[in-house]
Amino acid sequence: AQSVTQPDIHITVSEGASLELRCNYSYGATPYLFWYVQSPGQGLQLLLKYFSGDTLVQGIKGFEAEFKRSQSSFNLRKPSVHWSDAAEYFCAVGSGTYKYIFGTGTRLKVLA
Amino acid sequence: DAGVIQSPRHEVTEMGQEVTLRCKPISGHNSLFWYRQTMMRGLELLIYFNNNVPIDDSGMPEDRFSAKMPNASFSTLKIQPSEPRDSAVYFCASSPGGPDTQYFGPGTRLTVL
Repeated sequence: AQSVTQPDIHITVSEGASLELRCNYSYGATPYLFWYVQSPGQGLQLLLKYFSGDTLVQGIKGFEAEFKRSQSSFNLRKPSVHWSDAAEYFCAVGSGTYKYIFGTGTRLKVLA
Repeated sequence: DAGVIQSPRHEVTEMGQEVTLRCKPISGHNSLFWYRQTMMRGLELLIYFNNNVPIDDSGMPEDRFSAKMPNASFSTLKIQPSEPRDSAVYFCASSPGGPDTQYFGPGTRLTVL
């Protein structure tokens, strides 16, 4: 069965530090992969997506993610975190149809 | 583009009352989704429409929940009667179709007392 695991429920980093949020998936074929961000009281905003091609994907707000098929991972990275990046981040897997499977989210706290 | 529009943004009601949540998808998108988000269960897909037709309603919790999409620019999610356990944030999302990106609205925070 398809599944998405975000092993870190909470992450705290200092402003200016680098960030990596982990996402592991279980899916039989090549998945469609997404990262969304949710600020408090807001809907989910797409950061980036991977369908095929280059496994390093650039997104908005300076984020990038790398698809590693051998590790079944799609980790999100940012070289220097800003205080405004504090939010909850969701990884999602699509099967090639309409259905997404969302991870449970990672809440990011940024220290000034 | 205005994005996905949901109303109301907040709804507080008493147990047993009818609640109607509204959604206007992005123009030109032919897929519409209703999700529910709770701390316990995360994001759950309730129902999926394609070209205004309900395709998958397997996530609708029970008969108290119903959804309609009378045209390409409007959908409703109704709960009747509402119960405290229905308290959650309800999101509407739309997509150009297929596996493509889903665009989420700001959500409706429902509190049932």
